[in-house]
Amino acid sequence: AQSVAQPEDQVNVAEGNPLTVKCTYSVSGNPYLFWYVQYPNRGLQFLLKYITGDNLVKGSYGFEAEFNKSQTSFHLKKPSALVSDSALYFCAVRDTTGRRALTFGSGTRLQVQP
Amino acid sequence: EPEVTQTPSHQVTQMGQEVILRCVPISNHLYFYWYRQILGQKVEFLVSFYNNEISEKSEIFDDQFSVERPDGSNFTLKIRSTKLEDSAMYFCASSDRTGRYNEQFFGPGTRLTVL
Repeated sequence: AQSVAQPEDQVNVAEGNPLTVKCTYSVSGNPYLFWYVQYPNRGLQFLLKYITGDNLVKGSYGFEAEFNKSQTSFHLKKPSALVSDSALYFCAVRDTTGRRALTFGSGTRLQVQP
Repeated sequence: EPEVTQTPSHQVTQMGQEVILRCVPISNHLYFYWYRQILGQKVEFLVSFYNNEISEKSEIFDDQFSVERPDGSNFTLKIRSTKLEDSAMYFCASSDRTGRYNEQFFGPGTRLTVL
């Protein structure tokens, strides 16, 4: 069965500093990996995905993520955090068997301090 | 930008009652999904729907649950006889058909409270 781990419940970072939100996964075969963000009273908003190709993928709002197959990780990064980045971030995985169900991590709350 | 919408935003019901949660997916999308998130827990997959039939479902999606696309725009989740443990945030999502790895677009959710 596939699974996703987000080891940090909360990440605190100062505005202007780089941020990293960690994600590791377990799946049979090659993964499709996704990051979503949730703002208060809003749905899950797609940020970026890794399907194949370059290990560094770029997404919305200046976010990027690095796929590392040997470490089964897909960490979310941003070079310079903004206060408005404060939100709940979810990593998700799908396998490549044709199933479309996403398996989510437990979420990481990012708090960016001014 | 097109969005998935859900109604109501909050539903309170008595245990044993039937509830219907409604979703309007993005108009040119053909795959539809329901997920739920019990407070403090992970977002969990319930069911996916394509071409007017269920294509996948999880073990959570038992006989108490059903889905329907009653017209060209709505997608509903019905819980026949609600239990206390059905209290959760329910998210609808949709995706298009151009690639099986395309992202799913989520609605804002319906918070279901079962008393």
